[in-house]
Amino acid sequence: EDQVTQSPEALRLQEGESSSLNCSYTVSGLRGLFWYRQDPGKGPEFLFTLYSAGEEKEKERLKATLTKKESFLHITAPKPEDSATYLCAVQAEGAQKLVFGQGTRLTINP
Amino acid sequence: KAGVTQTPRYLIKTRGQQVTLSCSPISGHRSVSWYQQTPGQGLQFLFEYFSETQRNKGNFPGRFSGRQFSNSRSEMNVSTLELGDSALYLCASSRSRDFNTGELFFGEGSRLTVL
Repeated sequence: EDQVTQSPEALRLQEGESSSLNCSYTVSGLRGLFWYRQDPGKGPEFLFTLYSAGEEKEKERLKATLTKKESFLHITAPKPEDSATYLCAVQAEGAQKLVFGQGTRLTINP
Repeated sequence: KAGVTQTPRYLIKTRGQQVTLSCSPISGHRSVSWYQQTPGQGLQFLFEYFSETQRNKGNFPGRFSGRQFSNSRSEMNVSTLELGDSALYLCASSRSRDFNTGELFFGEGSRLTVL
């Protein structure tokens, strides 16, 4: 069964303090790994898609990387507006669905 | 460009009742997926439709059903509601026929409370 585990469950940082979120996965043939951001009371918002080990994607203060067993979301010099829950999801080959992790709730204090 | 629209946003039902939730995807998107989000289980896949055909179904009991119309709008129904059905129900649309981008556009959800 495809599975996604995210750590830590919650992370509190000071503004400007860089860190990384982890997403470990097991899947029967990875089609893609995805990162989403979810703000309270909102639906998830797409951030990145990664398809193969070694791939990296960047967007503003965020950078996502992928290995054969896990993905990292690096946050550089975060700002309070980066506070949100970050969700990782995988799509198996041939599947028309995503399997999500529980998310990491990130809080950036000014 | 209008986003994914879900109605109603909030609703309260009692055990044993049934509920229908509606989703209008982004114009031009033909794939619609439904997910249930709870604090304990996170986001769990319910079903996915493309061109009125259900292509995938998650591990939910038969009380959960859905359909898609020719204009790509979708509805999901939950019959004989249980307390554990209280959740945020999210609809997402995708422009990709074979779902290979994973770039889902989510609505803001319908929050169902079962008393």
